[in-house]
Amino acid sequence: SQQGEEDPQALSIQEGENATMNCSYKTSINNLQWYRQNSGRGLVHLILIRSNEREKHSGRLRVTLDTSKKSSSLLITASRAADTASYFCATPRDDKIIFGKGTRLHILP
Amino acid sequence: DGGITQSPKYLFRKEGQNVTLSCEQNLNHDAMYWYRQDPGQGLRLIYYSQIVNDFQKGDIAEGYSVSREKKESFPLTVTSAQKNPTAFYLCASIQGWGTEAFFGQGTRLTVV
Repeated sequence: SQQGEEDPQALSIQEGENATMNCSYKTSINNLQWYRQNSGRGLVHLILIRSNEREKHSGRLRVTLDTSKKSSSLLITASRAADTASYFCATPRDDKIIFGKGTRLHILP
Repeated sequence: DGGITQSPKYLFRKEGQNVTLSCEQNLNHDAMYWYRQDPGQGLRLIYYSQIVNDFQKGDIAEGYSVSREKKESFPLTVTSAQKNPTAFYLCASIQGWGTEAFFGQGTRLTVV
């Protein structure tokens, strides 16, 4: 079962530009989490936003949450080559953590 | 350093063989999870465990089995009943419901 769906599936931008990816989900949530996965590696937690929060920042990352639209966005500012990775949103549901299919981000030199 | 360790990193299985993937954590986390990831795809939940000696099936449990005899360990066995086991397998753990997940580095399983 898929709770979150990221959009776009893939994104290529020039180094220094901002990257925005979106996540839509289906049921009510307690919180929404964003993760990064470098090729062939495990996922790394980036940021968690609670259902009563609308925006959260962490370094060059900015996450927004719109519970009325059941959507979240992840903005990476001033992108770098090291940001090339797949990004996933995830939501806890019952005793599970449900992940979306991810956005593959490629930063062009 | 606390963390979650998966081994081996690469594993090759012959047709009809059972293989076991190891997942160990020293984070003192109660809940542990196994996910399968196919190329370019998201994570699909295989099994999860909230406490020792208890585990539940996820969305794609057929052909897999697990045990949770110790809090630190949650091994996954890929049985011969799993007809398409070639994939990247990820283990994760969390401190409590709704908290961030910590992942191992994954095991890439290939059928030869």
